[in-house]
Amino acid sequence: EPEVTQTPSHQVTQMGQEVILRCVPISNHLYFYWYRQILGQKVEFLVSFYNNEISEKSEIFDDQFSVERPDGSNFTLKIRSTKLEDSAMYFCASTPGLYNEQFFGPGTRLTVL
Amino acid sequence: TQLLEQSPQFLSIQEGENLTVYCNSSSVFSSLQWYRQEPGEGPVLLVTVVTGGEVKKLKRLTFQFGDARKDSSLHITAAQTGDTGLYLCAGVGAGGTSYGKLTFGQGTILTVHP
Repeated sequence: EPEVTQTPSHQVTQMGQEVILRCVPISNHLYFYWYRQILGQKVEFLVSFYNNEISEKSEIFDDQFSVERPDGSNFTLKIRSTKLEDSAMYFCASTPGLYNEQFFGPGTRLTVL
Repeated sequence: TQLLEQSPQFLSIQEGENLTVYCNSSSVFSSLQWYRQEPGEGPVLLVTVVTGGEVKKLKRLTFQFGDARKDSSLHITAAQTGDTGLYLCAGVGAGGTSYGKLTFGQGTILTVHP
């Protein structure tokens, strides 16, 4: 059964460093999302991506964040200069259509020291 | 900003008991989804409710969407130890500007004791 994959499973970085979180969505899906979950808090929407551009983003998704689908397969989230408060689980999700089920990846745990 | 309030946050019960988890909002959602999340994994969809007043059953789980599409509940009958886990409700925003963004509740950690 097709599934969303994410790498790495755990990323440890120093404050101020750039990180790239990678996702491979399910191949025939058209809408892609990033969410994050700070420990003990709710899952929060970051950004949605469709037709090679951002369709919606939250207040959290400031100019330190960017997304890209460089090769039609990978979907990446870049944080340019990480802060301590960026430490969280980051989930990628994809769906074939707006009103279909979103399939979530297993997440990347980002730890910023 | 749409918010979903999920309650209770923690639920500890004995096997065989019934329970209900609630999800409430002041906003209207085009649909409401319930997920289950295991440690170290992403959320997995259990059910989507779309129509106001809709009731869906999944074995011992009953999901209801409020008439005004602002609230939902998950009822588990005769809970089993295998039901232990984190349950999340998530709403899909109503209106043409929503691109499927999910707004999540805080989650309910359910522990079913043998």
